Amino acid sequence: AQKVTQAQTEISVVEKEDVTLDCVYETRDTTYYLFWYKQPPSGELVFLIRRNSFDEQNEISGRYSWNFQKSTSSFNFTITASQVVDSAVYFCALKGGSGGSNYKLTFGKGTLLTVNP
Amino acid sequence: KAGVTQTPRYLIKTRGQQVTLSCSPISGHRSVSWYQQTPGQGLQFLFEYFSETQRNKGNFPGRFSGRQFSNSRSEMNVSTLELGDSALYLCASSRDSPDLGEKLFFGSGTQLSVL
Repeated sequence: AQKVTQAQTEISVVEKEDVTLDCVYETRDTTYYLFWYKQPPSGELVFLIRRNSFDEQNEISGRYSWNFQKSTSSFNFTITASQVVDSAVYFCALKGGSGGSNYKLTFGKGTLLTVNP
Repeated sequence: KAGVTQTPRYLIKTRGQQVTLSCSPISGHRSVSWYQQTPGQGLQFLFEYFSETQRNKGNFPGRFSGRQFSNSRSEMNVSTLELGDSALYLCASSRDSPDLGEKLFFGSGTQLSVL
């Protein structure tokens, strides 16, 4: 069975602070993908990044960066110099490579990030 | 390019009724999947369709069903509504390339309230 855990239910920061959202996953698949999605109040899930199980390179995109560590089964997301517009619910998700799990995303419970001015 | 379109945006029903939700995927996308989002359970997979065939189904009772049409549009139906069915129902589409990492594009959802 696959599982994604986002231990932080809510995080509140002041604008310009850095913030890291944690994600820990469980899977028996050797091939899998990890994703991060952002859900603003409008409800639509917006894709942020994906990473496959064979690529442990960290990635930076503007103020966003991701740290993937297979040894600890973690895929953490850092926002540098946070802005009010970053306020949203952030979901980490896993897509496995076998048993039908390749047709669905398993989501964590999400982290509500509030950035205060 | 238009995104994933879900209708209606909001729906209010009473217990025992049935409801049909609609999803139009991004043009060219052939895979459509549905997710239920509630405060307690989070985002849970309902089912996924490709070429009018259901390829995978989540752990939901038989009251939840869906279908996909030849133009890739999809509908999901919930019969004999219960209070616990109140949720945001999200539809997602993808190209369904052989790439396992094919990302899903989500609609804004249908907010269903069961009274």
